[in-house]
Amino acid sequence: RKEVEQDPGPFNVPEGATVAFNCTYSNSASQSFFWYRQDCRKEPKLLMSVYSSGNEDGRFTAQLNRASQYISLLIRDSKLSDSATYLCVVNRGSGAGSYQLTFGKGTKLSVIP
Amino acid sequence: NAGVTQTPKFQVLKTGQSMTLQCAQDMNHNSMYWYRQDPGMGLRLIYYSASEGTTDKGEVPNGYNVSRLNKREFSLRLESAAPSQTSVYFCASMVAGNQPQHFGDGTRLSIL
Repeated sequence: RKEVEQDPGPFNVPEGATVAFNCTYSNSASQSFFWYRQDCRKEPKLLMSVYSSGNEDGRFTAQLNRASQYISLLIRDSKLSDSATYLCVVNRGSGAGSYQLTFGKGTKLSVIP
Repeated sequence: NAGVTQTPKFQVLKTGQSMTLQCAQDMNHNSMYWYRQDPGMGLRLIYYSASEGTTDKGEVPNGYNVSRLNKREFSLRLESAAPSQTSVYFCASMVAGNQPQHFGDGTRLSIL
């Protein structure tokens, strides 16, 4: 099983739609979880951290299920500017692992007018 | 603040040439990283430095060397460039363990 797995997409959705991305991770010792977005030919940028209780930032909601080793990202009321690749990121555990992040290959989202 | 600054932004090399990619951060972060990103492969860790004075291999270290010059700067060296090292290279920094990383805007390297 890969360390971090995501559906590569692409997800093509109309403006205003709600879209959900899922991610699974294999390392049960992982302690930190993030969603990044990466625009074409740009660097990855932190979108939000993911907490066990779930968290929301405007139109974005992230959920973590440690028992199932599953992370999700929900985007409501999609905007054209949300078009990007979304990367699921987990760390490799405690100690030395806390300094290493494993990146999923990303899910590509295209929001269509 | 500039955040994480990488130089150069673009470079073309011939097989066998050497070069050093530079990275500097002004966020007083303890840890620094070098990744490469290839189509369909995602981000792969080359080397990292958890703190000043330490460096460790990542997933794909062969053909590369690194130097943590001081807390701010972390360089990546290709001693004898090969076409397989054609890639986009990202430097990142992190304040401490279990925190997110912040990326520079990348170096696009082509080796002919």
